[in-house]
Amino acid sequence: EPEVTQTPSHQVTQMGQEVILRCVPISNHLYFYWYRQILGQKVEFLVSFYNNEISEKSEIFDDQFSVERPDGSNFTLKIRSTKLEDSAMYFCASSQPAASSYNEQFFGPGTRLTVL
Amino acid sequence: RKEVEQDPGPFNVPEGATVAFNCTYSNSASQSFFWYRQDCRKEPKLLMSVYSSGNEDGRFTAQLNRASQYISLLIRDSKLSDSATYLCVVNEDGGFKTIFGAGTRLFVKA
Repeated sequence: EPEVTQTPSHQVTQMGQEVILRCVPISNHLYFYWYRQILGQKVEFLVSFYNNEISEKSEIFDDQFSVERPDGSNFTLKIRSTKLEDSAMYFCASSQPAASSYNEQFFGPGTRLTVL
Repeated sequence: RKEVEQDPGPFNVPEGATVAFNCTYSNSASQSFFWYRQDCRKEPKLLMSVYSSGNEDGRFTAQLNRASQYISLLIRDSKLSDSATYLCVVNEDGGFKTIFGAGTRLFVKA
C-alpha cells in the first residue's frame, strides 16, 4: 500500500539554525500539506501546496518558513532560523481529491524537531 | 468560538460498549468533513469521511448535520484496539485549508 514517508524521524538542532524536513508524498497525489503538533496539543495546519505553488497558509507559516518541491518526488519544509517554540512533531500529508471535492489526506509518520 | 470543537475527554468504556463522539464547526462554508484517529505519538490516520447522507463502515457510523454544523461518530461494540484519540477534521477553502479539533481520547477497558 502506498504511503507518505518523512525523513529524518528525529532532528535536534540549535536555536537559530536552519532545518529542512523532507517528505515523499504518495506518487500519484497532487496536493501536499505540512502540519505541526506541539506535544500535548492539537494538529495545526501550516501550508498547502498545489501545482508548484502555495495554495493556502496559516498565520503560523510566517517568513521563517518555506516549502519547495525540488523534484518530482520530494516535498520539503525549511525553517530558516529555528526558535525554541518550533519544537514539535511536523507531519507531511498528501491527497488526490475526488471529483466530489472530498479531500482525504494521508499522513506521513512525522519528524520530531527538537530545538535546544 | 473555536473553529472545530469536540467533546472533552477522556471517555472510559468497557469492551463491547457503544460510544458517541460529537463535534461542531464554526464556518458554515466548510466543505468536507472527516474523522481521523491518532495513537500516542503517531500520525493521524483517516478513519472515515463524513457525507451529508451519513455513512457507515462496519462498527463505525458518521453523521453530518450541515444546518446545525454538527458531526458525530458512533462506535459500536468497542474493542481494546479502538483506544486512541479521535480527531474531527474540517476542510475549508476548496480543501486547501484543514482544521483539526483538539481530539477526544477514548480508553476501552477489558
